[in-house]
Amino acid sequence: QVQLQQSGTELVKPASSVKISCKASGYTFTSNYMHWIRQQPGNGLEWIGWIYPGNGNTKYNQKFDGKATLTADKSSSTAYMQLSSLTSEDSAVYFCARGDNSGYYFDYWGQGVMVTVSS
Amino acid sequence: DIQMTQSPASLSASLGETVSIECLASEGISNDLAWYQQKSGKSPQLLIYAASRLQDGVPSRFSGSGSGTRYSLKISGMQPEDEADYFCQQSYKYPFTFGSGTKLEIK
Repeated sequence: QVQLQQSGTELVKPASSVKISCKASGYTFTSNYMHWIRQQPGNGLEWIGWIYPGNGNTKYNQKFDGKATLTADKSSSTAYMQLSSLTSEDSAVYFCARGDNSGYYFDYWGQGVMVTVSS
Repeated sequence: DIQMTQSPASLSASLGETVSIECLASEGISNDLAWYQQKSGKSPQLLIYAASRLQDGVPSRFSGSGSGTRYSLKISGMQPEDEADYFCQQSYKYPFTFGSGTKLEIK
C-alpha cells in the first residue's frame, strides 16, 4: 500500500534553515508528482509546489520562491523540502502529498511535520 | 491567484441528515476541483476529484457537482465518522489554491 512517511517535529531558530523528508513506499516513486502543502492554524491549506522525481523538474508557488527548495533522491525514494530564512510566520504543519494520475490532485498524504520557529 | 470562497464556515447536522458545502471560484475552473476531508489531528484525505468523481474507497454517500465557478459537496445521510473539516481545491491554474474550510459537526 502507498505510504508517505515524514520526518519528525522540528523546533528551529529564526533565520535558520530546516530540511524535512518524505519517504515514499508502495508505488514507483519516479512516476508521480510529489507536492508539498502548508497548513497554518486558522489559515487553511497552501500549496507550496511540486517535484517530479523522475526528472527532478519542479514548480513552485511564487509565494514560496526563495523560501522552499524541493529535491528528491531516487535511490531512497525520498523527497525533501528545505525551508530557509525561517521566521515565526513559517511555523506550520508541512505535508507531502502524492499527485494522482492527473498529477494535480493529492491522493495520498504524509502525516505532516510540525515546524516551530522560535528563539 | 484564483480565490476559492467556501461556505458555510461551519455547520452542524443530525445523523442521517443530508448536508451540502459550496465553493465559489473567482473565475471559471472547468471542473478542475477536488474535495478533501480532514479529521482532527490527521492528514487530509481525497474524497472527490474532477468535481464529481468519487475517489476509490470513499463511501457513495459523498458526491460532488457543479460547473464553471460554483461547486458543491453533498453528504447524503450524515454519519458519526463524517465529523471533520472539509476543503475544496482548484487545480485549474497555478498556484493551486484551497477553500478556507468547513467544520462539520454532529448536532
